[in-house]
Amino acid sequence: SQKIEQNSEALNIQEGKTATLTCNYTNYSPAYLQWYRQDPGRGPVFLLLIRENEKEKRKERLKVTFDTTLKQSLFHITASQPADSATYLCALERDFNKFYFGSGTKLNVKP
Amino acid sequence: KAGVTQTPRYLIKTRGQQVTLSCSPISGHRSVSWYQQTPGQGLQFLFEYFSETQRNKGNFPGRFSGRQFSNSRSEMNVSTLELGDSALYLCASSAAGSGGAQETQYFGPGTRLLVL
Repeated sequence: SQKIEQNSEALNIQEGKTATLTCNYTNYSPAYLQWYRQDPGRGPVFLLLIRENEKEKRKERLKVTFDTTLKQSLFHITASQPADSATYLCALERDFNKFYFGSGTKLNVKP
Repeated sequence: KAGVTQTPRYLIKTRGQQVTLSCSPISGHRSVSWYQQTPGQGLQFLFEYFSETQRNKGNFPGRFSGRQFSNSRSEMNVSTLELGDSALYLCASSAAGSGGAQETQYFGPGTRLLVL
C-alpha cells in the first residue's frame, strides 16, 4: 500500500534560518507531489506542486525539490518567520483525484 | 470567489447516532473530496464525487457514505457512530475534470465531530 513518511517530530528553528522538511514515499512513482500548510483548526492550504520532470520549484521564500530516484521531496523555507509556524503536509495522487497525505511535520519558528 | 464552506463547524453526537455533514465547493468546481483527519491516522481519503457520481473511494466501512447534488454541493453521512469516528472532517474541491488545473485542492475549514 502507499506509504508517505514525514518526520513526526516537530522542527524547532530560529527566526531567519532555513527550515527543511522531508517527505519520503514508497511503492509508487507519482507524476507530481504537493505541499500544503495547515494551521490549527483549519483546513490545509495548497502551497506548491512539483512534477516528476522538475528537479526544483520556487515560490517566494519557498523551495521544493523532487528526487524520483530517492523517492523523496524536500521543502525549504528560507529566512523563516514566526508566522511560518504551522504543520506542513506533503501529498501525492495515487489514482485520479485520489490523494494520499503524509502525517505532517510541525514547524515552530522562534523569534 | 468564495472559498469552500462546510457546515456545521462543530458537532457533538452520541454513539449509535447518525450525522450528516455538508460541503459547498468553490463556484465552478465539480469535484468534491472528503477526508477524515485524526491525530493518529492523519488525513485519510474517504471518497470523491464528480458530477453527482462517486469516482473514488477510500478504505472506510460502509457506514460512511456521501452524495453530490446537481449544484456540486456534497453531503457525507456517517451512520451508527462509533467513538473512533471523532475527527475533523474536511472537504476539498478542485477543478478536476472541469477543464481547469485539476491537481490543486481547496480545502474547507472542516467539521469537528465529537462522538460521546
